[in-house]
Amino acid sequence: DIVMTQTPLSSPVTLGQPASISCRSSQSLVHSSGNTYLTWFQQRPGQPPRLLIYKISNRFSGVPDRFSGSGAGTDFTLKISRVEAEDVGVYYCMQGTHSPITFGQGTRLEIK
Amino acid sequence: QVQLQESGPGLVKPSETLSLTCTVSGGSISSYYWSWIRQPPGKGLEWIAYIYSTGSANYNPSLKSRVTISVDTSKNQFSLKLSSVTAADTAVYYCARHVGGGAGAYDYWGQGTLVTVSS
Repeated sequence: DIVMTQTPLSSPVTLGQPASISCRSSQSLVHSSGNTYLTWFQQRPGQPPRLLIYKISNRFSGVPDRFSGSGAGTDFTLKISRVEAEDVGVYYCMQGTHSPITFGQGTRLEIK
Repeated sequence: QVQLQESGPGLVKPSETLSLTCTVSGGSISSYYWSWIRQPPGKGLEWIAYIYSTGSANYNPSLKSRVTISVDTSKNQFSLKLSSVTAADTAVYYCARHVGGGAGAYDYWGQGTLVTVSS
C-alpha cells in the first residue's frame, strides 16, 4: 500500500497568518494516464470531509482562493495564505493513483 | 444538488454482518464511481471499497475477504456488507461519490453513520 505521511500533525497558527501542510507518498503518484491523483480534504468537527483540492492543484467549486495545492511525484503541499477561524479542523491528503486508495494520518489546524 | 444518505443499524453484534445502504438523491447514480470510507472514533480515514454504476467493484485488500459492495440503479442506491465484525470495525461509515473516475477525488459525501460493534 502507498503510505501517505503528513507533516506537521498539528499546526497552531495565528489568524491572518499563512499555514502549510506537507504530504509525502511512499511512491510516485503519477498515474499511467499522466494524471496525479493527489487530493486534499478538510474535516471540521462532527462533519464529513470536504473536498478542497484535486489532482494536486485544482480548487474544487466554492473553495476560497486562499487555499492552494502544489507539488509533484511524491511531495505535495497544501497552503492557506491567510488563516481564518473557519479553517480550524483536520486536513487529510489522499492518493487515488494506486489501489488501495490511502489517506494521510491528518493534520490538525488550530488557532493560537 | 447531489445528496447522499447512509442508513442501517447503529449497533451490530460481534461476528455478525454489518449492512449499510447509501441513497443518492438530486442526481443519478449512473456513470459514477461510489465509495464506502470509514473513520474509527478519533482516528483517520480508511477506504473500504468502490463500485461503478455498472457493478464493477474494487476492494481494499485488508478488508476484501469480508466486504461486499453492490449497486441498485433502479433505487439509486449502493450498499455495503461487512461480515464477521469485531470491535475494530466500530467507526463512522461514509458513502461518497468519486469525481473523475475511480482514482478521482470525492466531491459529495454523506453525513456518515456511526456503527458500534458490541454485544
